[in-house]
This record gives sequence, C-alpha cells and structure tokens, in this order.
Amino acid sequence: GAVVSQHPSWVICKSGTSVKIECRSLDFQATTMFWYRQFPKQSLMLMATSNEGSKATYEQGVEKDKFLINHASLTLSTLTVTSAHPEDSSFYICSAGRLAGVPDTQYFGPGTRLTVL
Amino acid sequence: KQEVTQIPAALSVPEGENLVLNCSFTDSAIYNLQWFRQDPGKGLTSLLLIQSSQREQTSGRLNASLDKSSGRSTLYIAASQPGDSATYLCAVGTDKLIFGTGTRLQVFP
Repeated sequence: GAVVSQHPSWVICKSGTSVKIECRSLDFQATTMFWYRQFPKQSLMLMATSNEGSKATYEQGVEKDKFLINHASLTLSTLTVTSAHPEDSSFYICSAGRLAGVPDTQYFGPGTRLTVL
Repeated sequence: KQEVTQIPAALSVPEGENLVLNCSFTDSAIYNLQWFRQDPGKGLTSLLLIQSSQREQTSGRLNASLDKSSGRSTLYIAASQPGDSATYLCAVGTDKLIFGTGTRLQVFP
C-alpha cells in the first residue's frame, strides 16, 4: 500500500514553454502533498507544501508564479513549471501524506526528470 | 534554522565490511528521523523511521540510532554488499522533512 506515482518520468522541453507534472496517490487519500527539487549530486530541497483544497505554501526563495501547484483532489497534485528555462532543469519529486498539519509518514513518488533546452 | 549534515559525503568499501553513516542536525526539536536510500536517477526508498521517543530501529542488516539531545543519528550497515551501493539520505521530521546532504556509498566486490 501507499503508492505514489508521477507522470511523466522524464520530459524535455524548449525554453519558454510550460511543463506540467502530475503526482498521484494510488491507494490512499493524500491530504497533504509535498514537492521537492533535487539538482545533480545535491540533496532534496522542499519547494512547497499543498493541502487539498487550499493554496500551496511555498518555501522561501521559490517563486509561486513560476511553480504553480494545484491540489484539487485527495489523490492528485500537479506542479506546472511556467516559462521554463535551462536553470529549471532538475529532478522533481513529490511525496504524499495522509494527514495535514502534523508530522506524518510521507510516501515518495519516483521523480520526474525535467530538461529544458 | 534546522540544518542537517551527513558525514562522510562519499564512501567506497569492499564488500563484507560493516559501515557507519553519520547524520547530525542542529535543532533537537524534531518529531522523527528517517533514513532513505536513493539509487541514481530514482526516487527515494524509506529504510528506517525513528520516532523522537525511540533510540533505535532495526531492519535486517540495517540499524539506525537516534540521540536527539546531541543531534545525531547513525545508520549501521552490517556485512555490506554491492547491492547496497546508493546514496543514503537522512531527513529530520518537524512540520516538514529537512534532508541531509547525503552519503554516496559504493561497495565493490
């Protein structure tokens, strides 16, 4: 149980285009979803936390207008990278938790590799 | 601000060795600590989770300890195997997970 999927697993796009990444909890209801970014040979950095039906909370330094997060249902959250540029190329990983507002086990997706040309 | 550091950053050992990976954190006000494994280009696999009230957790050849007061955790890998080669990440849990810098482990035959 507690499986999280991401789609696509990898994507290549041209500079200036927008890319949407989906994160789904397959067998449980995810009240909270988290989006992380990982640059090569670096650790995971939390970008934002989203609770179902609410606006996402972004970490300091993450542009909310550039990284649009939608968590419209208990099983789906999306991250849209708008007007992507080469510096946005990274590995994006989502995770999902059953509870909101309290520390809870997070279940991680397999990640999405974004390359912006 | 919570900072999580892992030592060593990289480790290369022959198979069969017993290993200790270290994780330190600056703020002891945590709810839990987790150890993850990440294979190249892949997502995370949770290995062990230690609640703040616990001192250690064991799973197979893995044992993780937690000393909250000193801000330290260790991951002990017994009888290492080439299949253990991966990056190991620790993460402290507060209202969110804060990840350490990782230890890249290579176990050669």
